[in-house]
Amino acid sequence: RKEVEQDPGPFNVPEGATVAFNCTYSNSASQSFFWYRQDCRKEPKLLMSVYSSGNEDGRFTAQLNRASQYISLLIRDSKLSDSATYLCVVNPYSGNTPLVFGKGTRLSVIA
Amino acid sequence: DAGVTQSPTHLIKTRGQHVTLRCSPISGHKSVSWYQQVLGQGPQFIFQYYEKEERGRGNFPDRFSARQFPNYSSELNVNALLLGDSALYLCASSLAASGVIDTQYFGPGTRLTVL
Repeated sequence: RKEVEQDPGPFNVPEGATVAFNCTYSNSASQSFFWYRQDCRKEPKLLMSVYSSGNEDGRFTAQLNRASQYISLLIRDSKLSDSATYLCVVNPYSGNTPLVFGKGTRLSVIA
Repeated sequence: DAGVTQSPTHLIKTRGQHVTLRCSPISGHKSVSWYQQVLGQGPQFIFQYYEKEERGRGNFPDRFSARQFPNYSSELNVNALLLGDSALYLCASSLAASGVIDTQYFGPGTRLTVL
């Protein structure tokens, strides 16, 4: 089983749609969780951290279920500019240790 | 403030050659990590350095080596290049006090093509 697994995608959605990405991780001791966004041929950029209580940033909502080892990202009212690859990222250990990335899920928002 | 910088941006090499990639972290950041991203995959961890010492190594062959300099910049070296080394090489920096969960900021990457 891979350490971090994501929906394979790609997701093609119309503007204004709500889209959800799911991710599971294998190491139950993992300490911190993130969603990164990566535009084509660019570097990954931190979109948001994910907390057990759930967190929201504008149109983006992230959820963490430690019991199920499951992370989600919800994007409401999709914009054309949301088109990118979304990477689920886990830090398996405490402290500043290497990040473990999923393969990413490509989102295309269509006018 | 300048972000993480990497050089060169693009590089074309042939099999068997050697390559050196460079990274300058954000000012004040003492930790640098290197990742390899093959097309269609997520980044894979190669090395982490903190205060000039290697703190972690991913599952990469000995052809890959790195170091960190007193000014916290870093070099990644790859010897005896293979076609499969073609990838985007990403450098990430963080403040990285030991034991602290810290955000890693990525540079624009070096795109290496091995022919």
